[in-house]
Amino acid sequence: AAGVIQSPRHLIKEKRETATLKCYPIPRHDTVYWYQQGPGQDPQFLISFYEKMQSDKGSIPDRFSAQQFSDYHSELNMSSLELGDSALYFCASSLGFYSSPNYGYTFGSGTRLTVV
Amino acid sequence: QQQVKQSPQSLIVQKGGISIINCAYENTAFDYFPWYQQFPGKGPALLIAIRPDVSEKKEGRFTISFNKSAKQFSLHIMDSQPGDSATYFCAASKGSQGNLIFGKGTKLSVKP
Repeated sequence: AAGVIQSPRHLIKEKRETATLKCYPIPRHDTVYWYQQGPGQDPQFLISFYEKMQSDKGSIPDRFSAQQFSDYHSELNMSSLELGDSALYFCASSLGFYSSPNYGYTFGSGTRLTVV
Repeated sequence: QQQVKQSPQSLIVQKGGISIINCAYENTAFDYFPWYQQFPGKGPALLIAIRPDVSEKKEGRFTISFNKSAKQFSLHIMDSQPGDSATYFCAASKGSQGNLIFGKGTKLSVKP
C-alpha cells in the first residue's frame, strides 16, 4: 500500500539558511499535517491543510510557512534557521471522514533536519 | 498545560508479560483516541484507535480500554515480545480533520 512520502530524509543546514521539506500524502487523503519532534519529545503539531486550504495552525514559528499544492503534495518552508530547529519533521495524511473504514492518520518516515 | 497525560514514562516488562500504559485527557470534545508505536528515527505507526462510543477494542495482542466518565484510556499489550520494545504514544483529536495531541510517550523495554 502507498505510504506518506517525505523528502529529503536527512538535511544539514547552517544557521540563518533556508530549508524546504516536501511531503506526498497517501492518494485520496484530503488532509495533511506537519509535526516537529525534538529528541526524546512527543510530536508537536505545526500546521495542517484540508483540501489545499490551511485548516489549523499550531506552534509554528513565524519563520516557517507551508502550503499544499494542486497535486496535494505539501511543502514546509523554514527560513532563518536556528540551532533549536534541529528536529525530526513528520508529515501525516488522513482521509477526513469517520465513516471511512480506513480513517486514521498515517505518518511518513520524517526528515531529520540538523542545523549547525 | 498538557492536554493528554501519559504514564509511565518508561516500562520494563518480561517477555510474555502484559504491558499497560495509561493516558488521561481533559478536553471532552476529543472524539478520537489512537495509540502509536515509534522506533528510533522512524515515524509513528498507528497501532489501534478507539472512539468514545466504545469501551474496549482489541486487535491481536493490543487492546484499548476506554473510560469516558473518567476521561482515561489505556493500552494493554498481551504476551509482550522483545520486538515490541519501542516508544508508545497515546494521542487525542477532535473532529475529522483535528490535529493529534500527543502524550509525552512511554519507552517500553521487553526483556527476553
